[in-house]
Amino acid sequence: GQQLNQSPQSMFIQEGEDVSMNCTSSSIFNTWLWYKQDPGEGPVLLIALYKAGELTSNGRLTAQFGITRKDSFLNISASIPSDVGIYFCAAQGPNDYKLSFGAGTTVTVRA
Amino acid sequence: DSGVTQTPKHLITATGQRVTLRCSPRSGDLSVYWYQQSLDQGLQFLIQYYNGEERAKGNILERFSAQQFPDLHSELNLSSLELGDSALYFCASSVLGARDTQYFGPGTRLTVL
Repeated sequence: GQQLNQSPQSMFIQEGEDVSMNCTSSSIFNTWLWYKQDPGEGPVLLIALYKAGELTSNGRLTAQFGITRKDSFLNISASIPSDVGIYFCAAQGPNDYKLSFGAGTTVTVRA
Repeated sequence: DSGVTQTPKHLITATGQRVTLRCSPRSGDLSVYWYQQSLDQGLQFLIQYYNGEERAKGNILERFSAQQFPDLHSELNLSSLELGDSALYFCASSVLGARDTQYFGPGTRLTVL
C-alpha cells in the first residue's frame, strides 16, 4: 500500500486560481519528487527536491521539501486548463532508490 | 518525451498466459525500474536493475520476473496471468547517483480476460 499520505484527493478549481497539495509520511526520505500523469500516459516529472528545506520553482509550479524530511507540498499558481490531470508525490531513500508514491490528487479546472 | 520507450502500448491476453513487456532506458541511464499501477493499489514498485544486475525488489509476485540485458534494455515477464494482473506497467530509468531522478516511459496497459 501507499506510504505517503497525499491530500486532497481531488479538487475543482476556477481558472486563474492557485492550487496547493501536500504529502506527508511517518518515514524520512532523501528525495521528494512531483509528477503529473495524464490519462493513459506515464508520469511526467515536474519538480525534484533533494535537500530538506529546499524550495524549487518550475514556471508556475513551486514545491518544497519539508524540514523534517517527512513531507512536501506543491503549489500551482494561476491555474490554466492544461493543468488538468493527476498529480503524484513520490519519495525516495534513505536506504534504496525505489519510489514510494502518494495516491494522487486529481485536478479539474473550470474554465 | 522522457526518452524511455516501452512496447507494446497495449496487450490483451487470457488468464493463464505469459507475456513479456519491453523497456529501453534513456541514453546513459544504467538503472531500470518497473512499477505497476492499478486502481486499488496505485503505483507500486516491482523491481530495479542496475547495469544488468538485480538491485532491489518490491512486492513482485513469484509469477513475475525481469532481466536487464547487456544493451541495458529490460524485459518484465508475467506468467500464469490472472484477472487481477490487469494494470498499467511502467518502466522508469535513472543514472543512479546522489541526485537520482527517475523518468518514466509511456507504459504498457495489460488487460487479462
